[in-house]
Amino acid sequence: TQLLEQSPQFLSIQEGENLTVYCNSSSVFSSLQWYRQEPGEGPVLLVTVVTGGEVKKLKRLTFQFGDARKDSSLHITAAQPGDTGLYLCAGLFYNQGGKLIFGQGTELSVKP
Amino acid sequence: DTGVSQNPRHKITKRGQNVTFRCDPISEHNRLYWYRQTLGQGPEFLTYFQNEAQLEKSRLLSDRFSAERPKGSFSTLEIQRTEQGDSAMYLCASSRLAGPSTDTQYFGPGTRLTVL
Repeated sequence: TQLLEQSPQFLSIQEGENLTVYCNSSSVFSSLQWYRQEPGEGPVLLVTVVTGGEVKKLKRLTFQFGDARKDSSLHITAAQPGDTGLYLCAGLFYNQGGKLIFGQGTELSVKP
Repeated sequence: DTGVSQNPRHKITKRGQNVTFRCDPISEHNRLYWYRQTLGQGPEFLTYFQNEAQLEKSRLLSDRFSAERPKGSFSTLEIQRTEQGDSAMYLCASSRLAGPSTDTQYFGPGTRLTVL
């Protein structure tokens, strides 16, 4: 059974600070997706990473996929209150069909 | 709006009643997924369809749960004899399978079920 560990679970920071969220597995991902979710809504896709070592940027968000494709990170530069929300990583694993395995999520709160 | 849509957005029911949720995927997406999310947790996989075929069901999907996608378009998820433990957000996602390694899934807004 593939497990996906996400850390930290909670993060409370001041506006302007930087932060990093980590996503790790003991198994190799075929691909990994990062989502952001607001209360009462469904997850909204931020990025999909497929290639080991890949780096993608989305404004102040930087996503990295580990060389071995077992880990990923999300770095936010100069966080803003609008970044507040639940960040979820979700992986697809080989031979597991199409189902996404989600981490527990990181609840981010950015205070003005 | 051409995203995934779900109805109803909220459902309050009494224990023992049956409920049915509907999901309309993004047009031309051949895969459709159901997930369940409880407070403070990430979504958990329930089942998925490729076109009209149900390819996989999780052990979480007890015999009180049934899902259909009769014409390969919209899908319904029915829960019979609801229990308080069924209270959760039910999420639907769809994708257009592009290859064996990539299957980007787009989620709907979810249906929040409360069983009293």
